[in-house]
Amino acid sequence: NAGVTQTPKFQVLKTGQSMTLQCAQDMNHNSMYWYRQDPGMGLRLIYYSASEGTTDKGEVPNGYNVSRLNKREFSLRLESAAPSQTSVYFCASSVGADRETQYFGPGTRLLVL
Amino acid sequence: GNSVTQMEGPVTLSEEAFLTINCTYTATGYPSLFWYVQYPGEGLQLLLKATKADDKGSNKGFEATYRKETTSFHLEKGSVQVSDSAVYFCALWTSGGSNYKLTFGKGTLLTVNP
Repeated sequence: NAGVTQTPKFQVLKTGQSMTLQCAQDMNHNSMYWYRQDPGMGLRLIYYSASEGTTDKGEVPNGYNVSRLNKREFSLRLESAAPSQTSVYFCASSVGADRETQYFGPGTRLLVL
Repeated sequence: GNSVTQMEGPVTLSEEAFLTINCTYTATGYPSLFWYVQYPGEGLQLLLKATKADDKGSNKGFEATYRKETTSFHLEKGSVQVSDSAVYFCALWTSGGSNYKLTFGKGTLLTVNP
């Protein structure tokens, strides 16, 4: 099992460009999450999907959109990138949405110039 | 709202030293508590967890006890190794309605020197 995979590993964008971060899990988990990690800030939840077909905003959703494509895949889209979105992005998944251990991908490092 | 406060790092220890990383929390209801570890260049991995008061989570020589009376979940290890060098995150999980959320502390960088 690969667990949670993310692509790309690293990306440089110019302000105003768009891109989609991909995430897939092969553990048959129902719930998936997107976080961003900034120095000294811990991890902050951007969006989550408690189950296939549902998505909800987390703590910092502005400037992002998500798609739960199927049970395995959960993508994060930046429509018009801003320097404030420079961060490391982590995808995670869990069996269910309630009190379950989350399993994290290796992260995508994004630099917006 | 919910929050997690961890001791500020970085923490630098010699191999075989005793480790404590303090974590206190504020939450409504009955949260579950977690310690996650992030090795350089990797994603977070669950280290241990506790789901109710007085539970002790343990893994790889690390331990933490869920103390409801002091709202704490301090991480300890009796003898650290160089391979324990990483960032450690305390986190709590609460749920209510449609709002499922892991709340993380800011992380504590541990460096263990040989």
